[in-house]
Amino acid sequence: NAGVTQTPKFQVLKTGQSMTLQCAQDMNHEYMSWYRQDPGMGLRLIHYSVGAGITDQGEVPNGYNVSRSTTEDFPLRLLSAAPSQTSVYFCASSYRGGRHTEAFFGQGTRLTVV
Amino acid sequence: AQSVAQPEDQVNVAEGNPLTVKCTYSVSGNPYLFWYVQYPNRGLQFLLKYITGDNLVKGSYGFEAEFNKSQTSFHLKKPSALVSDSALYFCAVRRHNYGQNFVFGPGTRLSVLP
Repeated sequence: NAGVTQTPKFQVLKTGQSMTLQCAQDMNHEYMSWYRQDPGMGLRLIHYSVGAGITDQGEVPNGYNVSRSTTEDFPLRLLSAAPSQTSVYFCASSYRGGRHTEAFFGQGTRLTVV
Repeated sequence: AQSVAQPEDQVNVAEGNPLTVKCTYSVSGNPYLFWYVQYPNRGLQFLLKYITGDNLVKGSYGFEAEFNKSQTSFHLKKPSALVSDSALYFCAVRRHNYGQNFVFGPGTRLSVLP
């Protein structure tokens, strides 16, 4: 059982380039989310989805797009990379069971924008 | 708005000694509280959660946490620390909004010294 899989693990981009971070889960979870982790700030919510075809913005959505065409996949797109987007990105998924359910996280993508 | 504080950036403890990692929260209504651990270059792993009921919650790897409603705290504890417990620990609370995603604390780095 693979759980939540993120690719790539590492990426270096030049300012202005675009890219897609991939996230896939094999647990048939309805809820999926993207967070970014920055030192001393914990994880902050970028975008989330409560089911296929449904996405919404989190706390820090600017510069990012998402789509959810299937239950399994939730890619995160950087439209025009900026140095401020240098971070570690985590994808998470959980059952649509309410606020008592835990989430499962991928291993992260470390992104550097130069 | 919900918030989580972890007042210590770093906690150092000798192997075999008890450890405590502190967390306080602010949330309206009943809190749904979680602890996650992040080992180097890995994603977040679920340790334990408080939903309702007993104030002492037991979780993975011998960890437990004590919920204190009057002090709005949810401190993580372990009776005897191991060197392998060295990692970054995050306290989190489920939101009322944003698809019930998490608000994370800034994290506490635990170092267990041999």
